[in-house]
Formats: sequence, structure tokens, C-alpha cells
Amino acid sequence: QVKLLQSGAALVKPGASVKMSCKASGYTFTDYWVSWVKQSHGKSLEWIGEIYPNSGATNFNEKFKGKATLTVDKSTSTAYMELSRLTSEDSAIYYCTRSAYWGQGTLVTVSS
Amino acid sequence: DVVMTQTPVSLSLAIGQPASISCKSSQSLLGTSGKTFLNWILQRPGQSPKRLIYQVSKLYSEVPDRFSGSGSETEFTLKISRVEAEDLGVYYCWQGTHFPYTFGAGTKLELK
Repeated sequence: QVKLLQSGAALVKPGASVKMSCKASGYTFTDYWVSWVKQSHGKSLEWIGEIYPNSGATNFNEKFKGKATLTVDKSTSTAYMELSRLTSEDSAIYYCTRSAYWGQGTLVTVSS
Repeated sequence: DVVMTQTPVSLSLAIGQPASISCKSSQSLLGTSGKTFLNWILQRPGQSPKRLIYQVSKLYSEVPDRFSGSGSETEFTLKISRVEAEDLGVYYCWQGTHFPYTFGAGTKLELK
């Protein structure tokens, strides 16, 4: 069955970067777009962007351009998202999703 | 960006009662492919979102048939014929027709 296993929670300092992972299994990784979604505490969901593992093509929400970088490692069927120049506004749970399958989320806390 | 407006914000229902959630988009979700990419997901407390319905009315295989979706263009509805305890949580509609993909603010279903 399709599974998306995300990396664990991260505590990072303001101004730093964080890179999280999403390891896919149960399907052909290169055949499906992988999206990333942000959920701030107690709030709704924001689509950050998506990446097509086969080609590395990406689409982004303009709001997150310059903030998020999406990459993949086809050899390990893993998608990555790096967030840069972190502020308290970036504290949130980040989900990876593939065609309606969702990872368990990665909690990022930005604090000094 | 397409604005997704959900109503009501919350619902308090007894087990066995019907539920109805409205989702309106600020522009038509009918894509150039002729498909309408309006989806519904459920986020139970403390969990990641789970898929429910795609393309307005198509239930994923594991979703009970007490759930149904309808609508077109800019107005959509999720219905539960008889609420069960496992249905509590926050329901989100989201559109995948126009970039950036956008989500409604959510409707919280509580049990009375």
C-alpha cells in the first residue's frame, strides 16, 4: 500500500534552514507529483508546491518561492523540502502528499 | 488565488443525524480537461488529513457510502447521511484546478 513516511520534528533557530524528508513506498515514485502542504497551529492548510520526481519539474505557490526548495532522490524514493531563513511564521506542521495520500507530518518549531 | 469558502464553521450533531457542508469557490473549478478538481478531506484530532472524495463526487474505495459529494462550477456540498462517532474532525474542501491549489478554512464536526 502507498505510504509516505516523513522525518521527525525539528527545533531550529531563527534565520537558519531546515530540510525535511518524505520517503515513499508502495508505488512507482517517479510516476506521481508530490506536494507539500503547511498547517500552522490550529489553522487551515496552505499548498506550498509540488515536484515531479521523474523530471524534477516543480510548481510553486508564489508565497513560498524563495522560502521552499523541493528536491527528490530517485534512488531512495524520497522527496525533500528545505525551508530557508526561518522565522516564527514558519513554525508549523508540514505534510507531503501524493494524490490524496498524506504523510504523518513534520513539526517544525522556530525558536531561539 | 481561488478562495474556498466553507460553511458552517462548525457542526454539532448527534449520532445518526445527517450532516451537510457547503464549499464555494471564487471562480469555476471546471478545468480545461472537462474535469472539476474539487476534493474533500477529513482531519481527525491529532492526525494527518485523510482522503474522502475527489472530482466532486467520487468516493475513495475505503470511504463509507454514507458520504456523498455533489455540485458544479463554484458550489459544492459534502453530505453524510447518518453521522457516526468516527466522523468527528475537521472537513476541508480543496481545489486542484488552478495554481496555487487552495483549501477551505475547514468545518469542525463535533458530536452532541
